[in-house]
Amino acid sequence: QVQLVESGGGVVQPGRSLRLSCAASGFIFDTYGMHWVRQAPGKGLEWVAVISYDGTNKYYADSVKGRFSISRDNTKDTLYLQMNSLKPEDTAVYYCAKVDSRDRYFDLWGRGTLVTVSS
Amino acid sequence: DIQMTQSPSSVSASVGDRVTITCRASQDIRGWLAWYQKKAGKAPKLLISAASTLQSGVPSRFSGSGAGTDFTLTISSLQPDDIATYYCQRADSFPYAFGQGTKLEIK
Repeated sequence: QVQLVESGGGVVQPGRSLRLSCAASGFIFDTYGMHWVRQAPGKGLEWVAVISYDGTNKYYADSVKGRFSISRDNTKDTLYLQMNSLKPEDTAVYYCAKVDSRDRYFDLWGRGTLVTVSS
Repeated sequence: DIQMTQSPSSVSASVGDRVTITCRASQDIRGWLAWYQKKAGKAPKLLISAASTLQSGVPSRFSGSGAGTDFTLTISSLQPDDIATYYCQRADSFPYAFGQGTKLEIK
């Protein structure tokens, strides 16, 4: 079954860290770039980060640059998002997404994992 | 960075109506634009890629057009299942960005 399943969300205090995971199945994981996208409560979608199929290229939104790190383990078909120095404004549902054959558009999404940053 | 602006922010229409949502990029993004449908509690769904390519399985009442800075998503005959928020997204270069969304409601 072609799917992405996120995990690792939860409640965390400001300034602390959290690592999200995204397990892929049903497709050849190491041939596709992967992204993280988030949606804060009551807000729109916000692009967070991207990693190339082989992990060599990474880009981040300005809002998370220097605090978040995207990585992948192609031997485990898993994508990660390491989130450090968390702020209340990082509270959101975090989605992982796979790009299509043109390496541009998100044709497969996970169901998301909720991260709440609160004291 | 290139900003994406959608209008309207919300729209209310009747079943069978034609609905049009627009998306404007602050700079030329050629045809590198996608439209997504987001229903509450569900993952976003890719409707249209490359400004006008309908994804497999998406009803033909959805269509996209435009290039450069101005893009349009059209629903030719609104159905109850189309209730959702719609987002455009630039895909020309990083950082990617979404429009702020258009919430579609049934009258």
